[in-house]
Amino acid sequence: GAVVSQHPSRVICKSGTSVKIECRSLDFQATTMFWYRQFPKQSLMLMATSNEGSKATYEQGVEKDKFLINHASLTLSTLTVTSAHPEDSSFYICSARPAGTGSYEQYFGPGTRLTVT
Amino acid sequence: DAKTTQPPSMDCAEGRAANLPCNHSTISGNEYVYWYRQIHSQGPQYIIHGLKNNETNEMASLIITEDRKSSTLILPHATLRDTAVYYCIAALYNFNKFYFGSGTKLNVKP
Repeated sequence: GAVVSQHPSRVICKSGTSVKIECRSLDFQATTMFWYRQFPKQSLMLMATSNEGSKATYEQGVEKDKFLINHASLTLSTLTVTSAHPEDSSFYICSARPAGTGSYEQYFGPGTRLTVT
Repeated sequence: DAKTTQPPSMDCAEGRAANLPCNHSTISGNEYVYWYRQIHSQGPQYIIHGLKNNETNEMASLIITEDRKSSTLILPHATLRDTAVYYCIAALYNFNKFYFGSGTKLNVKP
């Protein structure tokens, strides 16, 4: 149980285009999902907290107009990287926290590797 | 959220116990200690979490000092597949934002 998927696993896009990454909790409902970014040989950096049915909360220094987050259902959150540039190339990882179980661990997706050319 | 400090790397012989320390001297009373690991190019995997008492599950044991300023993750019989970066995180149980530190790279050697 507690499986989180991400789609796509890898994506290559041209500079200036937008890319959407999906994060799904497959066997549980998640009122809260999180998005992280990880550069090579670095740790995960929290980008934003996504709550179902409300606007995402972004960490300091993360551009909310560039990284659009939508959490439209209890099992799906999406991250859209708008007008991507090579410096946006990174490993993007989502996590989800099960709702209503009193359980506070987060379950992570396998990650999406974005390369902007 | 409390900052955590971990050694950058550790070695462990296969079959032996791996003891990974974490310092969280500024942890507050309502922050849990979580441990995750990340195998290369994958998402982090949940291992264990605790508040005050020692915890054990099928993967590991978590020992938290009485003053809660530090903890140790114990993998009782390390295998080559346990080679990963291990992260210790202190986070509020009800708000639950995770701020990852740099973690410990555990190298399990045959």
